[in-house]
Amino acid sequence: EVQLVESGGRLVKPGGSLRLSCAASGFTFSTYSMNWVRQAPGKGLEWVSSISTSSTYIYYTDSVKGRFTISRDNAKSSLFLQMNSLRAEDTAVYYCAKSAITVTDFDYWGQGTLVTVSS
Amino acid sequence: QTVVTQEPSLTVSPGGTVTLTCASSTGAVTSGNSPNWFQQRPGQAPRALIYSTSNKHSWTPARFSGSLLGGKAALTLSDVQPEDEAEYYCLLYYGDAQYWMFGGGTKLTVL
Repeated sequence: EVQLVESGGRLVKPGGSLRLSCAASGFTFSTYSMNWVRQAPGKGLEWVSSISTSSTYIYYTDSVKGRFTISRDNAKSSLFLQMNSLRAEDTAVYYCAKSAITVTDFDYWGQGTLVTVSS
Repeated sequence: QTVVTQEPSLTVSPGGTVTLTCASSTGAVTSGNSPNWFQQRPGQAPRALIYSTSNKHSWTPARFSGSLLGGKAALTLSDVQPEDEAEYYCLLYYGDAQYWMFGGGTKLTVL
């Protein structure tokens, strides 16, 4: 059974940093691209970042470029999101989502971790 | 800035049929945008329903189907059930600039 478990979300002050983790199991992690998607309270879904199997290809939405860094550790079946210079508008539930065999498609999602940016 | 537009809300009767659409501000949605559809119930994580325009996941009920319709991606629900009441999101891929964009979501009410 595919499982994605996010962790690391908490209350952080504006300008602060946070590192989110996503522990994957139930599939061969190293052979699938992975993604982060966020959802602000009461709002819709927003794609944040994607990373290819060997970390060769990395993409970000414009609003987080230069502040967030996606990475992965295939040996530990883990996905990460380093978030720096956090702003109030980064407040959201952050979901880890697995890409399907076709890298443009998403299939499995974690339950999310809440990041709150507030003074 | 690309905008992906969905109907904000739709209402359907139990047993009825409803079609949700997903339009792109850049022009017609094509199979190259690899439209995905997701269902999200209150307090839950999104669940994938359709990928690559019209393909169903192993867990997707048969009453859900995806297509391209008049330059938009479409999700059709047939024989709608009360448990289909949820928010539905489309996701489009833009390969020229390597990014993905979600639609704003459609709140489906079964009444």
